[in-house]
This record gives sequence, structure tokens and C-alpha cells, in this order.
Amino acid sequence: GESVGLHLPTLSVQEGDNSIINCAYSNSASDYFIWYKQESGKGPQFIIDIRSNMDKRQGQRVTVLLNKTVKHLSLQIAATQPGDSAVYFCAENRNPGGSYIPTFGRGTSLIVHP
Amino acid sequence: ETGVTQSPTHLIKTRGQQVTLRCSSQSGHNTVSWYQQALGQGPQFIFQYYREEENGRGNFPPRFSGLQFPNYSSELNVNALELDDSALYLCASSTGGAGNTGELFFGEGSRLTVL
Repeated sequence: GESVGLHLPTLSVQEGDNSIINCAYSNSASDYFIWYKQESGKGPQFIIDIRSNMDKRQGQRVTVLLNKTVKHLSLQIAATQPGDSAVYFCAENRNPGGSYIPTFGRGTSLIVHP
Repeated sequence: ETGVTQSPTHLIKTRGQQVTLRCSSQSGHNTVSWYQQALGQGPQFIFQYYREEENGRGNFPPRFSGLQFPNYSSELNVNALELDDSALYLCASSTGGAGNTGELFFGEGSRLTVL
């Protein structure tokens, strides 16, 4: 069956370090992935996305890597800041017709120590 | 701010009662998705509405129902509430159809407590 999971539930880093959050997926037919950030008391917020025809995509201080061979993706945050503290979810997108439906994993809690 | 508003923000119900949660989608969006997020878990897909029709449904019983109005706002109804229904209910709007990207714009959720 389909599943989206994360390797580590909690990641603690020092301010200024680089952070890497990992995610595994099982549906090899998945062709579109999104990383979301959820701060306490708020809804998830889009960070960056990647399609299966790419293996890397960069944004502002964030990079997503996709390895289709092992069905794994990661989110790298450069120079992590206290404001990056949140729960991060990878979402696997499928499109049954009309609109994409993201399936979320459990999430990784990122804690940034000043 | 995403422009997606949900009401109420918090509510308390007792087992067996019914609840209606409301969501106003972001301007220009024609798709609304509802998610249930238990404490410490990721959002679980309940269902999605695209142009007033149900476009997909997750593994939730029939007592979870919804609808979408012509202005693309939406309601989530839960009947016969159970203790395990206590959770944050998230609404997200997006653009479906041609040009849809899959990016969801979430509201801040409705926190439901069932006693």
C-alpha cells in the first residue's frame, strides 16, 4: 500500500548549522512531492516542491533532493535559524482526477537552539 | 496569511453530538480539502471537493460528511461524535483542474475537543 514516512521524529540543531530532514515513500508511481512547515498553532505552510523528473530543486536556504531509486527525499535547510523551529512534513501527491491530493507523513520536529 | 479562514477556532462537544465546521477558501481557488490532525501526528486526509463535487475520500467513516458551496466555501460535518474525533481539523484550498499545482493553502484549523 501507499505510505509516506519520516526517519526521525525529532531533530535538534544549533543555530547556524545545516539541517537535513529525511522522508521515505513507498509508491513508485508518485510523481510529485511537497515539503510543508507547520509552526505551533498554525496550519502547514508550503516550503518547496519537486517533481519526479528532477532530482534536486533549490529555494531560498532550502534544497530538496529526490532519489527515485530508493524512494527517498530530503529537505536541507542551510544556516538554520530559530525561526525554522517547526514540524516539517513531506507530502506525496496523487491526482485521481481534477486536483492533487497530498498524503502527509508523520512529520519531523526541528528544534533550533540559539 | 493564506486567506483561508476557518470557524470556529475552538469548540467542545460531548460524545454523540454533531458538529459543523466551516471554511472559506482563498480567492480564486475552486478546491477545498479537509484534514484531521491528531496531536503529534501528520494531517490525515478526510475528503476533497473540487467544483462542488467530492474528488476523493480518505479512510473515514460515513459519519464524516461535507459539501462545497457555489462560492467554493465548504463545510465538514461529523455526526455521532466519538472521543477519538478530538483533533485539529484543517481546511486547505487550492486550484484544481488545468494548471493545478497541488500546493495547498491551509487555514489555522478548528480545534475540536470531545468529552
